[in-house]
Amino acid sequence: DAGVTQSPTHLIKTRGQHVTLRCSPISGHKSVSWYQQVLGQGPQFIFQYYEKEERGRGNFPDRFSARQFPNYSSELNVNALLLGDSALYLCASSWEGNSNQPQHFGDGTRLSIL
Amino acid sequence: KNEVEQSPQNLTAQEGEFITINCSYSVGISALHWLQQHPGGGIVSLFMLSSGKKKHGRLIATINIQEKHSSLHITASHPRDSAVYICAASQETSGSRLTFGEGTQLTVNP
Repeated sequence: DAGVTQSPTHLIKTRGQHVTLRCSPISGHKSVSWYQQVLGQGPQFIFQYYEKEERGRGNFPDRFSARQFPNYSSELNVNALLLGDSALYLCASSWEGNSNQPQHFGDGTRLSIL
Repeated sequence: KNEVEQSPQNLTAQEGEFITINCSYSVGISALHWLQQHPGGGIVSLFMLSSGKKKHGRLIATINIQEKHSSLHITASHPRDSAVYICAASQETSGSRLTFGEGTQLTVNP
């Protein structure tokens, strides 16, 4: 079975643009979480979706939004990009949305803002 | 103070050495995760534990719930173990959300 897949792998944008990042969870997994990892730091939680509903949101501005589709894939959207949005964006999936599930991570999308 | 803290931040070892990475947390957890991140960025889950000890090959993870402390041990370290090791906490009231430590950069020299 395929693992968690994220696209694109790398992306270069300029300030003010918007970006859409995509994540396909492991088949059967209903929960998807998004994280932002700035160079040299641990990942920071952005969103969790479970069964197409938002289950949690981290301390990120409204420029960040996400959604989950009926097939459980997910998109992360970021508007009005800032230089500080340059980071590795990670997606993780699990069977259910509770706290006792192993998390499976994708390889991430590396976003660079010029 | 971060909710999850790791030490050391950087660790250099010689091949064959026994390695310990420590993780302390200040929140109530339902599980503590140990993860490995290679330079390309992808993260691999090593352990998820809520009590006691788990072992997989040369890796051992322990947790002391009363002291809110966990350790990751690597026996007979090898250069291919070089990576960033991250501990992360999941809390019962936060769904599958993980709160991460800053990570420990491990370099094992031949």
